[in-house]
Amino acid sequence: DAKTTQPPSMDCAEGRAANLPCNHSTISGNEYVYWYRQIHSQGPQYIIHGLKNNETNEMASLIITEDRKSSTLILPHATLRDTAVYYCIVRVLPTQGGSEKLVFGKGTKLTVNP
Amino acid sequence: GAVVSQHPSRVICKSGTSVKIECRSLDFQATTMFWYRQFPKKSLMLMATSNEGSKATYEQGVEKDKFLINHASLTLSTLTVTSAHPEDSSFYICSASGLAGGRDTQYFGPGTRLTVL
Repeated sequence: DAKTTQPPSMDCAEGRAANLPCNHSTISGNEYVYWYRQIHSQGPQYIIHGLKNNETNEMASLIITEDRKSSTLILPHATLRDTAVYYCIVRVLPTQGGSEKLVFGKGTKLTVNP
Repeated sequence: GAVVSQHPSRVICKSGTSVKIECRSLDFQATTMFWYRQFPKKSLMLMATSNEGSKATYEQGVEKDKFLINHASLTLSTLTVTSAHPEDSSFYICSASGLAGGRDTQYFGPGTRLTVL
């Protein structure tokens, strides 16, 4: 089961900032928060990840609360092409002899409106 | 950025036939590759994890004899859906895990839409 909770849908006006929340209250101290998005009928696209510090790259910013129980993905100037399902994922660390897994929840469907 | 390709992008086949889907990491070596399945309006479900040169690890409920996975090299994994049936129609997505562009994470292919008639 996914360890994250996200709102099922959000709307945003083109050009405005989109703030997508995610709750991960049971996150372990050494688990990272990853964000991916999936545009319709395509494979997921990596956006950003972080452990406890805020992160920023060319696509987005990630704000993680001090207690690490929640985070927010920020798209500073949303465009129509940002319409997608956004997944917040807690990275399950490899177990002995195992491999990394990404467990996808239902995500948030972001619709950017003109 | 890291590029993962899948081939074919779309396939239609008759019930009872087998279909092979290829997944390649084009610009980095993938020590581990993953296969997911996604039904309409649903999230991605992990089917199996494969490491180069070893047998795949299947998730609970996924039939290993039906979904054959081969990971012969650090850049290629294949998924063969054997004796496909209409209920196997789905969107199959692979991902490759490795260090690319300074990031160690999973990079996803564009997906393969399988329709079984």
